Amino acid sequence: EAEVAQSPRYKITEKSQAVAFWCDPISGHATLYWYRQILGQGPELLVQFQDESVVDDSQLPKDRFSAERLKGVDSTLKIQPAELGDSAMYLCASSSGTGGYEQYFGPGTRLTVT
Amino acid sequence: GEDVEQSLFLSVREGDSSVINCTYTDSSSTYLYWYKQEPGAGLQLLTYIFSNMDMKQDQRLTVLLNKKDKHLSLRIADTQTGDSAIYFCALVGGGSYIPTFGRGTSLIVHP
Repeated sequence: EAEVAQSPRYKITEKSQAVAFWCDPISGHATLYWYRQILGQGPELLVQFQDESVVDDSQLPKDRFSAERLKGVDSTLKIQPAELGDSAMYLCASSSGTGGYEQYFGPGTRLTVT
Repeated sequence: GEDVEQSLFLSVREGDSSVINCTYTDSSSTYLYWYKQEPGAGLQLLTYIFSNMDMKQDQRLTVLLNKKDKHLSLRIADTQTGDSAIYFCALVGGGSYIPTFGRGTSLIVHP
């Protein structure tokens, strides 16, 4: 069964350092999402891609966060510099379309900033 | 924006039925989902319902939608210890294609 892959699974970094997360969506899925999930809360969208284009990044803190999906397949989310408040689970999801299409989530990357 | 509310905890005995509730504010929600998240893992889509449906059954899972009261529920029959997890409801609609998630209900199943 096809799955969304993410790496690393866990990341510990010191504040002010740079971190990067990688996501490989299900093959053929044109839409890719990055979510942040703070402990005890539901996921919140950071950025949505349709192929290689950003569709929605209104909730992405652009002073420190960046995301790219250069060839419309895998994607990288970067934080520079990391802050203590960035500690969270970062989830990647993909779907074959937008709107009501089912989103399939990866296992996530647990980031701890010390 | 959409507000989605869930109770935080539910504790049931193994073999009993579990009912997890979700209320929302946006009556234009079109797709309503239930996700399961086990510790340290991503979200797994369990089931979903379209807003023009009242009920959907899928093996041990039954979803009920009361559009008048803006209330969604997930019933798990014959709950097992493996069902222990956090359950999120999520809604799409109101002109947005991005789902809004509730805070999740932690289901604890004890023997």
